[in-house]
Amino acid sequence: SQKIEQNSEALNIQEGKTATLTCNYTNYSPAYLQWYRQDPGRGPVFLLLIRENEKEKRKERLKVTFDTTLKQSLFHITASQPADSATYLCARPYGQNFVFGPGTRLSVLP
Amino acid sequence: EAQVTQNPRYLITVTGKKLTVTCSQNMNHEYMSWYRQDPGLGLRQIYYSMNVEVTDKGDVPEGYKVSRKEKRNFPLILESPSPNQTSLYFCASSTQDSQETQYFGPGTRLLVL
Repeated sequence: SQKIEQNSEALNIQEGKTATLTCNYTNYSPAYLQWYRQDPGRGPVFLLLIRENEKEKRKERLKVTFDTTLKQSLFHITASQPADSATYLCARPYGQNFVFGPGTRLSVLP
Repeated sequence: EAQVTQNPRYLITVTGKKLTVTCSQNMNHEYMSWYRQDPGLGLRQIYYSMNVEVTDKGDVPEGYKVSRKEKRNFPLILESPSPNQTSLYFCASSTQDSQETQYFGPGTRLLVL
């Protein structure tokens, strides 16, 4: 079965630094990977999607990469702010299903 | 406002007492899905529906039922709830053409005693 691993359960960084979160998948590469943000007690909110043939994608302070050789996606938040504190989820399609990683809880310290 | 709604938001019940969690979306989306979220396990897909009267199992369908009689509604039914179904449940929807972006509801926290 398909599996998604996210490198850390929790990550603490100082405000202004770049946060880097890792997502690793097993078996065949998906057509795309998604990244979501989830705040406590709320549903996930879609942030970015990167396709298999894209190396990198940016949206404001967010950057996502996709390395099919390493079977890995990296999610970067530059100039991080306390408001970026949340859990970030990586997901991949699997047929008509979706498989999510367990998430990384990011805390940006002022 | 485009949204996915779920009811109830919180529910405490006892083993074996049938319950239904409703999900409704106002975006005319074809694809709808149910997930459960447990600590350390992440979101796991229970059931999904590609359109009206078309449903299929996800990764963890045991103990659950769904129906899709109308495009906007996708209820989750627990015929005989058990304590291992205590969890946080999310409904999500997306367009058929772009299942890539899923819109999630606010969640339903269920406790089965």
